[in-house]
Amino acid sequence: QITLKESGPTLVKPTQTLTLTCTFSGFSLSTSAVGVGWIRQPPGKALEWLAVVFGDDDKRYSPSLRSRLTITKVSSKTQVVLTMTNMDPVDTATYYCAHTPPIGSYYNNWGQGTLVTVSS
Amino acid sequence: SYVLTQPPSVSVAPGKTARITCGGNNIGSGSVHWYQQKPGQAPLLVVYDDSDRPSGIPERFSGSNSGNTATLTISRVEAGDEADYYCQVWDSSSDPVLFGGGTKLTVL
Repeated sequence: QITLKESGPTLVKPTQTLTLTCTFSGFSLSTSAVGVGWIRQPPGKALEWLAVVFGDDDKRYSPSLRSRLTITKVSSKTQVVLTMTNMDPVDTATYYCAHTPPIGSYYNNWGQGTLVTVSS
Repeated sequence: SYVLTQPPSVSVAPGKTARITCGGNNIGSGSVHWYQQKPGQAPLLVVYDDSDRPSGIPERFSGSNSGNTATLTISRVEAGDEADYYCQVWDSSSDPVLFGGGTKLTVL
């Protein structure tokens, strides 16, 4: 059974850096085509994809946010960390991590999400 | 940049068929995936690779993709199908992953 869970601060101040951790189980991120991605959703708005890292350490980013994002596999290979710099109130959203299977371009398992509010 | 266009809302009576579209330039040349999201919950994959269903998703959910439009079809709609639905594509040449703007399905 695949599970994922997001953790991190619920409140950050403008200009600060957000660090979120996705802790997962039920699969290995050592398999090259398996991936863990991050997706966010501002309150009442649509899903927005942020980044993905694959088992071979291939990383892809949203072009519009690339300069602010870093996605990293933790050495234990059961965690993935996302950092987003220079946070702004418009970055207030629920942040989800999700699993993408081998030879798949979709997300078939999601974490419960964590709400991050950006406010001074 | 590539854009996926969904109608903001679709309404359907119980027992009838709902069709939710996702428009994009030549979207039929790639794979489209669909997610269902109920209030306060994470998205749930209901159709992948245009028309395949994950384990546990009822056969009432089906998909098609051709030309400039992909369609999620929900047959014999139930009250429990009321949710937001999002289409998603992968385009490695630009935005690797793109979601549509979402469609709110209302069961009358």
